[in-house]
Amino acid sequence: DAKTTQPPSMDCAEGRAANLPCNHSTISGNEYVYWYRQIHSQGPQYIIHGLKNNETNEMASLIITEDRKSSTLILPHATLRDTAVYYCIVRVGAGILSGGYQKVTFGTGTKLQVIP
Amino acid sequence: KAGVTQTPRYLIKTRGQQVTLSCSPISGHRSVSWYQQTPGQGLQFLFEYFSETQRNKGNFPGRFSGRQFSNSRSEMNVSTLELGDSALYLCASSWGQVKIETQYFGPGTRLLVL
Repeated sequence: DAKTTQPPSMDCAEGRAANLPCNHSTISGNEYVYWYRQIHSQGPQYIIHGLKNNETNEMASLIITEDRKSSTLILPHATLRDTAVYYCIVRVGAGILSGGYQKVTFGTGTKLQVIP
Repeated sequence: KAGVTQTPRYLIKTRGQQVTLSCSPISGHRSVSWYQQTPGQGLQFLFEYFSETQRNKGNFPGRFSGRQFSNSRSEMNVSTLELGDSALYLCASSWGQVKIETQYFGPGTRLLVL
């Protein structure tokens, strides 16, 4: 799985958009970009994933550059409950045909602090 | 639908002992993965089970083992505990059979080795 690089920490004012960048310059064509977050002492929570198109769900938007070497997770209106460590992960798609893919590599993530 | 559950939530053991942690995946999920999280090393992949077979394995010593039952529940065992095994142990479940998979994590078991 490709390696990712994220800034160690970021601050965001409550109510503003939080834009979390991720660099994955060695991503290969069959690798997806996933975002998870982990609130202190809890298990990681899935946020969103994408391959090459921008994606949006009820939690966030994911913008992937055309060359797929970087992406940005956008939380449109950050709240205090969004304070967490955000992990960007790239990995191959799943299933028995891929012979076992679940060796997911988490980086150190970005600690997002939402400030009142 | 119920999420991934892990038991126990907290555990204190002493060096040399062994420990067994349990994970119940989301109903219908057949893949269970285990991770170790420590402040120094972050989240590290231990192994993955699918249909009672270990399908993938991380770089951990043989003291770490696991198994999966026919109902997809999984257990992880650590023998001869060391102080460095103190960590949050997380399990994650997914369908295990489709091309695009999302893993759902449990709350974790926090193990302290004294």
